Amino acid sequence: SQTIHQWPATLVQPVGSPLSLECTVEGTSNPNLYWYRQAAGRGLQLLFYSVGIGQISSEVPQNLSASRPQDRQFILSSKKLLLSDSGFYLCAGGLAGVEQYFGPGTRLTVT
Amino acid sequence: EDQVTQSPEALRLQEGESSSLNCSYTVSGLRGLFWYRQDPGKGPEFLFTLYSAGEEKEKERLKATLTKKESFLHITAPKPEDSATYLCAVLQGAQKLVFGQGTRLTINP
Repeated sequence: SQTIHQWPATLVQPVGSPLSLECTVEGTSNPNLYWYRQAAGRGLQLLFYSVGIGQISSEVPQNLSASRPQDRQFILSSKKLLLSDSGFYLCAGGLAGVEQYFGPGTRLTVT
Repeated sequence: EDQVTQSPEALRLQEGESSSLNCSYTVSGLRGLFWYRQDPGKGPEFLFTLYSAGEEKEKERLKATLTKKESFLHITAPKPEDSATYLCAVLQGAQKLVFGQGTRLTINP
């Protein structure tokens, strides 16, 4: 199986500040990579996914963007955070058609 | 549109009291159904994958089954450490998972 690393674990940022969350994967090559957001007590909402370097698919229009500069690196960014960007952000990786493995998550609070 | 509905939203059981969680799905051609366990403040942990109706998978006190319209996660003689939120998801296309809202399970000692 693969291991997903995410950091930081928690983050408190003021409204209007930039954001950069990083995710790296070990244990597999050419994985699909995913960013999800989870609101309190809710299911997972897919934000972005990538099937290869430089290839990003956006699932919902929002204040966020994603990039994949290397095969095993996935970055979630924002130029200016909104209060509504608060939530639990999860990175996941997996091969096509099979299970995804999740990282430990980042709790983002925008104040 | 593919949809996944889990019930109940929350379930409280006594230790040793067996029960089942339900995951109903609407998808055009099921390619895979996945069960995850999520502890508070942590990422989901993969449990099972089911691909075809009639398939069953087991792990310790958990058993997942699949029909053409729904999946069940059976919990036999649960212990307090089984308390968690259990998430169900279906594969959409070859790349994406569509998740249900989860069932929050609490096992009282």
